Amino acid sequence: GAGVSQSPSNKVTEKGKDVELRCDPISGHTALYWYRQSLGQGLEFLIYFQGNSAPDKSGLPSDRFSAERTGGSVSTLTIQRTQQEDSAVYLCASSFGQEESPLHFGNGTRLTVT
Amino acid sequence: QKEVEQDPGPLSVPEGAIVSLNCTYSNSAFQYFMWYRQYSRKGPELLMYTYSSGNKEDGRFTAQVDKSSKYISLFIRDSQPSDSATYLCAMRKGGYNKLIFGAGTRLAVHP
Repeated sequence: GAGVSQSPSNKVTEKGKDVELRCDPISGHTALYWYRQSLGQGLEFLIYFQGNSAPDKSGLPSDRFSAERTGGSVSTLTIQRTQQEDSAVYLCASSFGQEESPLHFGNGTRLTVT
Repeated sequence: QKEVEQDPGPLSVPEGAIVSLNCTYSNSAFQYFMWYRQYSRKGPELLMYTYSSGNKEDGRFTAQVDKSSKYISLFIRDSQPSDSATYLCAMRKGGYNKLIFGAGTRLAVHP
């Protein structure tokens, strides 16, 4: 596809379980970002990848959150031992990686922790 | 204090009205300014992109940046019900890749 693809689109999990969220960026985009959007809130930055490395992971809220990117393409965001406050929409974006390059977003994964 | 402030609304206007959406920011290092539109249960889509100060027009949309006042605006002319969405301002410092977002303004255009 032409856009950023995220899966699953919806995920319901029980408190304490681990979840994995996947992002397929736009082909040719070297930069990849994860953001979190809680109900009625703006976008909260989590982590930024350039290629496979993450020069900025300052937004990860705790050590339960981790992310990786392989082959300069697909990225996975993992949340361990999920808590109810982790419920949010997790958005992935990609860009060409220059500072002037705009971000293009996927439709997100809506995570609900019960 | 947040780096980027945006009134969350909601803002309700009649069809055909001119809409003005605004953000203020505190860090003079911001150089790249964007407006995203987000429909319910969708990801944000890029609407307007401006570098430094000035105006940019695209169809019914005009973006303005006033760096001296640390204030950016988005104007929508002849608003349509299809413009009903949340509008997010976003900005980025020179030399950085991370985008900082405002909280978003929810707009409803009623027929």
